[in-house]
Amino acid sequence: DIQMTQSPSSLSASVGDRVTIICRASQNIGSYLNWYQQKPGKAPKLLIYVASSLQSGVPSRFSGSGSGTDFTLTISSLQPEDFATYYCQQSYSTLPYTFGQGTKLEIQ
Amino acid sequence: QLQLQESGPRLVKPSETLSLTCTVSGGSISSSSHYWGWIRQPPGKGLEWIGYIHYRGSTYYNPSLKSRVTISVDTSKNQVSLKLSSVTAADTAVYYCVRHAFSNGYEWVDYWSQGTLVTVSS
Repeated sequence: DIQMTQSPSSLSASVGDRVTIICRASQNIGSYLNWYQQKPGKAPKLLIYVASSLQSGVPSRFSGSGSGTDFTLTISSLQPEDFATYYCQQSYSTLPYTFGQGTKLEIQ
Repeated sequence: QLQLQESGPRLVKPSETLSLTCTVSGGSISSSSHYWGWIRQPPGKGLEWIGYIHYRGSTYYNPSLKSRVTISVDTSKNQVSLKLSSVTAADTAVYYCVRHAFSNGYEWVDYWSQGTLVTVSS
């Protein structure tokens, strides 16, 4: 299986901060990388697909970048509704499609 | 707006078969550019991809679960189903019904159900 490792596992930040979450793949996955946001008790929500494409309806303060093995999710100016857990997922051809362990973003 | 809603027993005994059905509304399950599948999340833990199916019948499963999983589709009812046999406490999780979108060889999960907690316990 392709292993996805996110860092940090948890992060404290304040409203208005710029935040970056890193996701590393255990092998080259090109741009086959998606990002999801999950709030407590809710289903995950797609934010970014194909490494850098913003899902319709997602605020432009979210952005994704990277290719190969190293990827980032950036929130340019944190809003109160952004405090959640974030997951990366690889959808490269080798099954299964694995997720990172999650990054919990908390209010400082 | 597409909606996915699971149904099925919330409590399953060890060694028995977990069965869930997902009813899709607001769109057709008979779409060439989508797969329909399941993802689960044990309480307090991360996400695990289980597998998916195309309405024409092609299925793909997580190799770690393949011997116990069956995903099927009923286009007449716009439903996708999951069966997981020989369950243990480790299969206790929130199960999500999902839609995978495809474009130019890439894929992602663009719709999720609300999720249902299935507990394996005697």
